Formats: sequence, C-alpha cells, structure tokens
Amino acid sequence: NAGVMQNPRHLVRRRGQEARLRCSPMKGHSHVYWYRQLPEEGLKFMVYLQKENIIDESGMPKERFSAEFPKEGPSILRIQQVVRGDSAAYFCASSPQHLSSYNEQFFGPGTRLTVL
Amino acid sequence: DAKTTQPTSMDCAEGRAANLPCNHSTISGNEYVYWYRQIHSQGPQYIIHGLKNNETNEMASLIITEDRKSSTLILPHATLRDTAVYYCIVVYSGAGSYQLTFGKGTKLSVIP
Repeated sequence: NAGVMQNPRHLVRRRGQEARLRCSPMKGHSHVYWYRQLPEEGLKFMVYLQKENIIDESGMPKERFSAEFPKEGPSILRIQQVVRGDSAAYFCASSPQHLSSYNEQFFGPGTRLTVL
Repeated sequence: DAKTTQPTSMDCAEGRAANLPCNHSTISGNEYVYWYRQIHSQGPQYIIHGLKNNETNEMASLIITEDRKSSTLILPHATLRDTAVYYCIVVYSGAGSYQLTFGKGTKLSVIP
C-alpha cells in the first residue's frame, strides 16, 4: 500500500508566479490535511478537506491560497502570485476517516517551495 | 499554541534508552498525548499516543504520570536512525478534533 504521495518534491517559482502542489492520499483515505513548515519552525495546520468539501480552512492565509480535493484526482494546494515569504515545506497528510478519538495522520514527504 | 513544553535538544548513546520528557500541565481530561517525529525534513511520522495508561508498541513506550501533567517517550534501544525531532502534541479527543499543533519539539541526536 503506497503511502501519501506529493509532487513535485521541489518547486522553484519567481515572485508573482503560481505554485500548484499535489497530494495523493493513501488508498482508502478520504480525509486530507495540509500543513506548512517554515525554516526552523514546527508544522502549522492550514486546511482540512474531504472529497469535494473544505471542512476547515482556518489556517489558510486569507488571500492567494486555495485548496481543493476533487471527486477524482489528487488534492491541490494552489498559491497565486507567490512571494518570498511563501518559501517553505508544505506537507500533506491523510487519514481514513474523521476520527474523534485520535489523530493518527499519515504524512507525505512534502513539497519544498522556493520563491526567488 | 502547542500547550506542551519539551527540551530543545538531547543526546543519547546508540543502544541505550532514550527518554524524552514532555510537560503538559494544562491538559484536560478529554485530551490525549500524541508523539510524532520528523527525521531530517521528511514528513512527520506517528509514534504513539495515550490518555491515562502507559502504552507500548513496536516503536516506543509512553509513560504518563498519574496526574497527567507530564509524560515520557521511551525509545528502548536507540539507533542512529532514531535521530530526529520529536514532537509531543496534546489533542482534544472530541468531535471536530483533527488539527495537529506542532511546537518546536526535541531534537534527539543518537551518538555512535
């Protein structure tokens, strides 16, 4: 059973360009979470999605950031008009269900975004 | 905010037990203690979790004090591959709980 897959692993963008980060959850998992990790910091929650629904986007910046998890295909985190401060590692995690009793999330290898 | 306090770094000799402490003095009765680790910028990896009782799995043991204000993660025989940042996370057990709040963690260095 393949783990959570993310691509690209590394992404370089110039200021003002768009960045698209993709995440394929583990087989059988219908819940996806995106986290951002700035250098020397812990991971920060961004958004939680189920198929075709955004459940909680309280950690997403108000502008330029959006996420989706379509019925078919991977989850996408989209950053428009990137700025240098968007440079970070972006991790996706998945879980088999929205568990009320524990939070064992399976993380992907991350996408390292560098904005020049 | 993480609601936990961990030492910034620790060293452990290879083959010895690594004991990683965590303080969570404001934990409430319906909150679990979770441990994750992150090996050199890879995605975090779940290790273990517990509520009141001590827990053990193939990776580690978790010892939670009786008042639940602190816990210790034990790696019984540390190897070089256990070098990582270890995060202690308090998680509400009720419905609507899914955000993992990562603090700075403890950087464990296993020394040959």
